[in-house]
Amino acid sequence: DTGVSQNPRHKITKRGQNVTFRCDPISEHNRLYWYRQTLGQGPEFLTYFQNEAQLEKSRLLSDRFSAERPKGSFSTLEIQRTEQGDSAMYLCASSPGGAGELFFGEGSRLTVL
Amino acid sequence: QKEVEQDPGPLSVPEGAIVSLNCTYSNSAFQYFMWYRQYSRKGPELLMYTYSSGNKEDGRFTAQVDKSSKYISLFIRDSQPSDSATYLCAMSARRDYQLIWGAGTKLIIKP
Repeated sequence: DTGVSQNPRHKITKRGQNVTFRCDPISEHNRLYWYRQTLGQGPEFLTYFQNEAQLEKSRLLSDRFSAERPKGSFSTLEIQRTEQGDSAMYLCASSPGGAGELFFGEGSRLTVL
Repeated sequence: QKEVEQDPGPLSVPEGAIVSLNCTYSNSAFQYFMWYRQYSRKGPELLMYTYSSGNKEDGRFTAQVDKSSKYISLFIRDSQPSDSATYLCAMSARRDYQLIWGAGTKLIIKP
């Protein structure tokens, strides 16, 4: 399967702990996006990479969130000192071109107790 | 007021019916319009991608854009139980701009 892969699929953690999610995009796609989605809402943009460069980050994104894409391949999203409000589905998408042609992974669901 | 409005549903129709899903928007600069389908606990999947006004057809799916009314639609013909999912509209002003998403409409097709 050459689709977008995300791990872990589900993470349960206690408030205050750090968590890290990994995304492996479609190999020939140079653009990679992170989104967050809560129940009954559309995806909320978090950040975007073109190759290894982080080109855009949502102004709504707390300093507790950081993302990397070393060598322009896989990406990680780390959330430090998790809060209950961080509970959501974290979606990764890659794109061969524009921001609308997104290929999503199955998401990583975070539950903060 | 949100930039993109979408009725959350659920919309429940019998198998074989024609389904109409809609979004309205307020930003007249939007030119790129997409429909994504999302099954429960899965990531969204791109269904239709259109630029500017007009219709686009792909199998049982037709996307329609009316920029004068700031209104887009997705029609599904001969609906199947496997079409049961949440349908999200998304749009942007330029190809490189981040998408503005609707909240999604939950569709249920009854066998």
